[in-house]
Amino acid sequence: DAMVIQNPRYQVTQFGKPVTLSCSQTLNHNVMYWYQQKSSQAPKLLFHYYDKDFNNEADTPDNFQSRRPNTSFCFLDIRSPGLGDAAMYLCATSRESGSINEQFFGPGTRLTVL
Amino acid sequence: GQNIDQPTEMTATEGAIVQINCTYQTSGFNGLFWYQQHAGEAPTFLSYNVLDGLEEKGRFSSFLSRSKGYSYLLLKELQMKDSASYLCAVMDSNYQLIWGAGTKLIIKP
Repeated sequence: DAMVIQNPRYQVTQFGKPVTLSCSQTLNHNVMYWYQQKSSQAPKLLFHYYDKDFNNEADTPDNFQSRRPNTSFCFLDIRSPGLGDAAMYLCATSRESGSINEQFFGPGTRLTVL
Repeated sequence: GQNIDQPTEMTATEGAIVQINCTYQTSGFNGLFWYQQHAGEAPTFLSYNVLDGLEEKGRFSSFLSRSKGYSYLLLKELQMKDSASYLCAVMDSNYQLIWGAGTKLIIKP
């Protein structure tokens, strides 16, 4: 089945220790998104890629970086995680950008910062 | 600024009907989405409205009034598995999704 896969599902890191979250998709979609979602809050868009074009949201902290080496994979790097970065990180895809397309979500990675 | 408002929490009884409201103010409008999100899981797509009126899909229906900046999600014949958060999201003029914080729906037997 075509899907969006995120690994790991649960990630524990220490304060200040870099961590990388991964996302892969078999939908062959052009657009990939990274969201941060804290409990009982709306998902907050961090970045999105249209193909290899990177789009950073204005209020995304510099501590967050992203890479998309190919169509299928996208990574979220948190360079120095703080306690406030503990959240669910959601990867999503859509077929195209600049048009009306449903977003398909992966299962999420729950990040705990100790 | 852009804003999506929906109630924080609602409670309903198994077998009943519940309506979850969403009001929005956004820069442009390219449609409104409803997503369901079970605790600890990713959102899953429920419905999309871009024209005024009611869209029915099984036990779930979604309504839109663009002039009022208003939508609702109607859930009929509630089942325990419908306990989840329901997120309203509007696609703005830049085709970006603006998300509400979600309505947590609690179903009681």
